[in-house]
Formats: sequence, structure tokens, C-alpha cells
Amino acid sequence: KAGVTQTPRYLIKTRGQQVTLSCSPISGHRSVSWYQQTPGQGLQFLFEYFSETQRNKGNFPGRFSGRQFSNSRSEMNVSTLELGDSALYLCASSLEGTGTHEQYFGPGTRLTVT
Amino acid sequence: GNSVTQMEGPVTLSEEAFLTINCTYTATGYPSLFWYVQYPGEGLQLLLKATKADDKGSNKGFEATYRKETTSFHLEKGSVQVSDSAVYFCALTAGGGNKLTFGTGTQLKVEL
Repeated sequence: KAGVTQTPRYLIKTRGQQVTLSCSPISGHRSVSWYQQTPGQGLQFLFEYFSETQRNKGNFPGRFSGRQFSNSRSEMNVSTLELGDSALYLCASSLEGTGTHEQYFGPGTRLTVT
Repeated sequence: GNSVTQMEGPVTLSEEAFLTINCTYTATGYPSLFWYVQYPGEGLQLLLKATKADDKGSNKGFEATYRKETTSFHLEKGSVQVSDSAVYFCALTAGGGNKLTFGTGTQLKVEL
């Protein structure tokens, strides 16, 4: 079974631009979560989607948004990019949304904002 | 709110040494506890988990026991290898949903 895939793997953008990142979960998984990883702040939760509904949202500004499609694939969008948005963005998928099941992470998208 | 505290790194050990990485947590309700490992340039891999008090999670020689009385979930391995060099994250979910709250991570370096 294929793992979680994220595209693109690397991205360079300029301040003020917007970016869309994509995540394809493991087949059959209905929950997708997004995390931002930076050296200073560590791993921070962005949002979680389950069956196309956002179930939980972290403490990020409204510039960060996401969605989930009927096939469970998810996208996150960051508008008006700032230098501080440079980070590794990780997506995780899980079979269910109970919090007790394993979550499998993708390799991440490395975003650099210049 | 929920939080996870794990020991500061880096931790440097010789091959075949015993490993302990301490992890304590604060959470509402009854959290599920996890250890994840991150190798350089990669995403996170689930190492082990425990979903209720006194459960022991184990995988690849690593073990951790869910201790409700001390709110701890310390990671141990009896004999580390160079290939275990990575960053280890303790994490929890609580209150329903899949939101993971992570500790700051502990870098482990194993030398020959």
C-alpha cells in the first residue's frame, strides 16, 4: 500500500505570493492533518480534516487555510506569504478520527520564502 | 491546554549503550501517547503508541509504558545502534480527534 504523498517536495516563493500544497493520504484513510515544523517553534498543528469537514484548527492566522476532497486528498493554502512561513509542512493521514489510531506522515513539503 | 515536555538533547551514546529519553505530559481526560522518530531529511515515523494507563508500547527494541500516576511515557532501548541516530518526538492526542501535541524533540547520536 502506498504511503502518504506530498507535492511538491520543495518550493521557493517570494513574500506576498500565495502557495498551495497537496497531500494524498493512504488509501482508505479519511482523516488528514497538517503540521508546520520549524527549528524555533517545533511541530505545530495547523488543522485536521475528516470526511471533508474541518474538525480542528490550530492557532494560525487566517492566511492559512485548507480543504479536503471527497477522495480524502487534501490541500492547504497560504496566502500573502511572509518570511516566517518558511518551514517544513507535514501532512499525516489516519484511518479514523478518534485520536487512538496510528497517524502516518508524508515526507513533507519544504517551503522557502524569500 | 495539553502539553508535552521531553528532555533536552542532544544525547550522545556509544553503540550498545542503554537509552532513556524522558517524556512527561499534561492533558485533559485520557490521552493517547506516541513516540515518533524523524531521520534527517524525512517525515515522521510512528515508533510506538499506548492508548491507556499501564499499556506498554514496543517496536524495534524500543519500549515505553503509559504511567498515569506520574504522567510519563519514557522511551527506553536496551542496546542502541548507530542506525538509531535520529530525532525522537513524544506526542499525545486528547479530547477526541487526531490533533497531535508534540514535545520539542530529542536528538540522539549514537557513535561506534
